[in-house]
Amino acid sequence: GAVVSQHPSRVICKSGTSVKIECRSLDFQATTMFWYRQFPKKSLMLMATSNEGSKATYEQGVEKDKFLINHASLTLSTLTVTSAHPEDSSFYICSADVGGKSSYEQYFGPGTRLTVT
Amino acid sequence: RKEVEQDPGPFNVPEGATVAFNCTYSNSASQSFFWYRQDCRKEPKLLMSVYSSGNEDGRFTAQLNRASQYISLLIRDSKLSDSATYLCVVNVPSGTYKYIFGTGTRLKVLA
Repeated sequence: GAVVSQHPSRVICKSGTSVKIECRSLDFQATTMFWYRQFPKKSLMLMATSNEGSKATYEQGVEKDKFLINHASLTLSTLTVTSAHPEDSSFYICSADVGGKSSYEQYFGPGTRLTVT
Repeated sequence: RKEVEQDPGPFNVPEGATVAFNCTYSNSASQSFFWYRQDCRKEPKLLMSVYSSGNEDGRFTAQLNRASQYISLLIRDSKLSDSATYLCVVNVPSGTYKYIFGTGTRLKVLA
């Protein structure tokens, strides 16, 4: 299957700092990537849809000024958590749509575990 | 009503058993349907897409019922390694489209 990487896999930061998470599609071009967060024992919640070359589409309740998304190329999307607070601690996962197929299968990065102290 | 609903379980079944999960969705305009498997602290992995005609992959069978707006996953001859959370995912039109996840159903296969 298609490969999606995420970096870093784990990050611990202090409250008030910003953290950037990268999501890359390694063997295909992804015009659309998705960012999710997952709390323990909960399902994935879509945060935003990232479209190459245009602004991201944020889900209701997700602050676009806090979670900055940039999709500068067909293989890279970044999520920056600005002024992080302990409540932002979560598992952040990106996915990329393999496009061109009728079934719109998506493949996930391995996730980034963010801990804000 | 949630957009995608699943019974969270857990379903505890003995090895070799057959187990079925259902998932309902609310948006009748939904286009594509999937089952993903997620192991603890890992990312979801695509298990199978779900087609109107139903599809089978080894011990796994997925069905879609558009009229009743539900999809199902059947696992036959359960293995210990099948223990995981099974996520129902629905692709819904939204501008272009987006994916909505169910809460997942936990399966524990017992020796």
